[in-house]
Amino acid sequence: GDSVTQMEGPVTLSEEAFLTINCTYTATGYPSLFWYVQYPGEGLQLLLKATKADDKGSNKGFEATYRKETTSFHLEKGSVQVSDSAVYFCALSASYNNNDMRFGAGTRLTVKP
Amino acid sequence: EADIYQTPRYLVIGTGKKITLECSQTMGHDKMYWYQQDPGMELHLIHYSYGVNSTEKGDLSSESTVSRIRTEHFPLTLESARPSHTSQYLCASSEYTDRGNEKLFFGSGTQLSVL
Repeated sequence: GDSVTQMEGPVTLSEEAFLTINCTYTATGYPSLFWYVQYPGEGLQLLLKATKADDKGSNKGFEATYRKETTSFHLEKGSVQVSDSAVYFCALSASYNNNDMRFGAGTRLTVKP
Repeated sequence: EADIYQTPRYLVIGTGKKITLECSQTMGHDKMYWYQQDPGMELHLIHYSYGVNSTEKGDLSSESTVSRIRTEHFPLTLESARPSHTSQYLCASSEYTDRGNEKLFFGSGTQLSVL
């Protein structure tokens, strides 16, 4: 079945460092891809999404590009801040799979001042 | 796999009815969530709970209520259903891995249709 694999972490960076969190997927068709973020003590929030190949999702300085050729959706940010400390989840959803949302295991990011 | 159960799987009701969507987990998880998901779209957080007697509002909480009297049970109630409530409702619970990541377990969902 469809699945998502993401870099497990934890990831610790200094403020203003470059961030990459890897995410690859396995799917029988063409799913929509998402990155969710969970700040300490809160529920999941959608960070960005892409619904077809070559789409780039972006929000709050984060970006991810839907790459069909490498089945990837890596999350990047050029300069992280302490306030970006959170857990990041890659996910996919597909109409051919009853729209069941498949999440990766989550990657905890800690940004130090 | 995950021991988290939602009932009913499908529900069709008329406008104005009061309904309760059930969610139970047998993993002893403290943290539980309710999400709403339209087809192919992102999840919207409705409510969450840190444990017994804890309930917190999410983004779409104004038209529903939850309770957490027991660890394993986290029901969601719509007091007066409307067609705009037609959607899939997902319950989840979570645990922390030994690497400090929160791992989510989702139920199979309740597909609600309000006529």
